[in-house]
Amino acid sequence: KAGVTQTPRYLIKTRGQQVTLSCSPISGHRSVSWYQQTPGQGLQFLFEYFSETQRNKGNFPGRFSGRQFSNSRSEMNVSTLELGDSALYLCASSLEDYNSPLHFGNGTRLTVT
Amino acid sequence: GDSVTQMEGPVTLSEEAFLTINCTYTATGYPSLFWYVQYPGEGLQLLLKATKADDKGSNKGFEATYRKETTSFHLEKGSVQVSDSAVYFCALRYNFNKFYFGSGTKLNVKP
Repeated sequence: KAGVTQTPRYLIKTRGQQVTLSCSPISGHRSVSWYQQTPGQGLQFLFEYFSETQRNKGNFPGRFSGRQFSNSRSEMNVSTLELGDSALYLCASSLEDYNSPLHFGNGTRLTVT
Repeated sequence: GDSVTQMEGPVTLSEEAFLTINCTYTATGYPSLFWYVQYPGEGLQLLLKATKADDKGSNKGFEATYRKETTSFHLEKGSVQVSDSAVYFCALRYNFNKFYFGSGTKLNVKP
């Protein structure tokens, strides 16, 4: 079974631009979560989608948004990029099973210059 | 609220030394517990899990036991290798669809 796939692996953007990151979950997983990882702040939860609906949201500004499609694939968008948005963005999927773990992709490394 | 606390790093050990990384949690109820490992440039990989009290998760020589009485899930390995150098995260799943992660512990193993 294929794992969680994130594209692209690397992105370089300029302040003020916007960016869209893509995530394909493991087949059969309907829950998709997004995390931001930085050296200073560690792993921070952005949001979680299930059946095309945002079910949970972390404490990030409205510049960060996401969506999920009917095939469970998900995208996240960051508008008006700031230098502080430079980070590794991780997508993870899971089953709706209390004992199931999150399965992570290898992330998208975003650098804002 | 629910949370996970793990020991600060970095932890530096010599090859073949014994490893313990402490993890304690706060949760009302019965969460599932996980350890993840992250190698440079990669995402988090599930290392092991335990889903109820007294369960022992194990994988690749690593072990952790779900201790409800002490709300702990400490990671151990009897003899670490240089290839075990990575960042380790303790996590819990609670309230069906909520995950909480510790801050991560960096392990450096020297030959």
